[in-house]
Amino acid sequence: GNSVTQMEGPVTLSEEAFLTINCTYTATGYPSLFWYVQYPGEGLQLLLKATKADDKGSNKGFEATYRKETTSFHLEKGSVQVSDSAVYFCALTRTPTQNFVFGPGTRLSVLP
Amino acid sequence: GAVVSQHPSWVICKSGTSVKIECRSLDFQATTMFWYRQFPKQSLMLMATSNEGSKATYEQGVEKDKFLINHASLTLSTLTVTSAHPEDSSFYICSGGRPGGGNEQFFGPGTRLTVL
Repeated sequence: GNSVTQMEGPVTLSEEAFLTINCTYTATGYPSLFWYVQYPGEGLQLLLKATKADDKGSNKGFEATYRKETTSFHLEKGSVQVSDSAVYFCALTRTPTQNFVFGPGTRLSVLP
Repeated sequence: GAVVSQHPSWVICKSGTSVKIECRSLDFQATTMFWYRQFPKQSLMLMATSNEGSKATYEQGVEKDKFLINHASLTLSTLTVTSAHPEDSSFYICSGGRPGGGNEQFFGPGTRLTVL
C-alpha cells in the first residue's frame, strides 16, 4: 500500500538557520506529493505541492522537489523564522477521489 | 480559493451523548469528502470516505455504527459520533476535492471533541 515516512523530530532550530525535513514515500504509479503545515490548535494548511517527477513546489520560502528516483520530497527553507514553528506533514495522494496518506508529522520549534 | 468549513469548531459533551459535526464545501461541489481523526501529537488517520448519495466507506477498525456519516448533498457531509466516550475525544478533520482541481484536497479547520 501507499505510505509516507518522515523524520519525526522534534526539530529545534535557531532563527535564520537552514531547515531540512526529510520525506520519503512508497506508492504505485505516480502520486502527487504535498507538504501541509498545522499551527497550534488549527487545521491543515497547504504549504506546497508537486504533481510529477522533478517538479519543484515552493511557497513562503519553503521548497521541495519531487524526486522519483529516490522516492523523496524533502522540505527545505534557507532561513527559518519563529513564526515557522508548527507541525509539518508530508502527504501523498493518487487521484482526486482517493484519500491522502499522511506521514507522522514533524514538529518544528524555532527559537529567537 | 476553495474553502471547507466545519461546525462546530469545538464541542464538549457528556459520555453517552451523540455529537454531530458538519463539513461544508463553501464555494465548490465535492462528490467525495473524507473524514480524518487526529489524536494529540499524532498524524491524521483516515476514518471514512463519504460519497454523495451513497453509503460511506469505512476504514478497517472504524465502527460504522458509532461514526455515522451522511453525505446528503454535494456541499455537505456530516459525521455523528453516537454514544460518545472519553476515548472518542480527538480532533476531527474533513476534506473535499474540487472537480478540475487536480489532486489537491481542501481541508476544514477541524473540530475538537472532548467527551467528559
